Amino acid sequence: DAGITQSPRHKVTETGTPVTLRCHQTENHRYMYWYRQDPGHGLRLIHYSYGVKDTDKGEVSDGYSVSRSKTEDFLLTLESATSSQTSVYFCAISESGLRSGELFFGEGSRLTVL
Amino acid sequence: SQQGEEDPQALSIQEGENATMNCSYKTSINNLQWYRQNSGRGLVHLILIRSNEREKHSGRLRVTLDTSKKSSSLLITASRAADTASYFCATVPTTSGTYKYIFGTGTRLKVLA
Repeated sequence: DAGITQSPRHKVTETGTPVTLRCHQTENHRYMYWYRQDPGHGLRLIHYSYGVKDTDKGEVSDGYSVSRSKTEDFLLTLESATSSQTSVYFCAISESGLRSGELFFGEGSRLTVL
Repeated sequence: SQQGEEDPQALSIQEGENATMNCSYKTSINNLQWYRQNSGRGLVHLILIRSNEREKHSGRLRVTLDTSKKSSSLLITASRAADTASYFCATVPTTSGTYKYIFGTGTRLKVLA
């Protein structure tokens, strides 16, 4: 299995509080992604990174920010959590981006915003 | 909006039967991939087919791609109870210019023993 660790795996928080999810990889892969998974919507891309300090928005980036200060860590921050951000968040990594194709996923972080 | 849409949304079959699920997408692509997700787990890559390929095999998996119809199918032969999972197609639209993998909504497969 690819070395991807997400933390925390479960979190319950209140509306308006900041939340940071961490994705840590030991594969030295260049590309990292954050997705959210919701019933009826499948996986939707929030943000992705194509290198240290290089990030871009996905299709559902509003209310989220990311940072990547080193290759192995990609942080997803909800500045002020809302109930609509209750979801399961998945981090994924890829060695060569779209050319090789394969994404490796973490086990997910389940976030509940009350 | 979702690039890929799987059909059917749910499928229930008996062990030993074949399972076929389909994926339609909207724009031209570089490649199309299929992933499996067991309940409560992350997605696992199954197979990738490039836009210039029409068919690909991997063990009990057979994937076809019809770029003229913007569709793909995943066939699982001789299904087993362990194949019970959700299956997703993922594409990278050529118009994206970058690395945005777009996933469909998935097909939930249940294989009855």
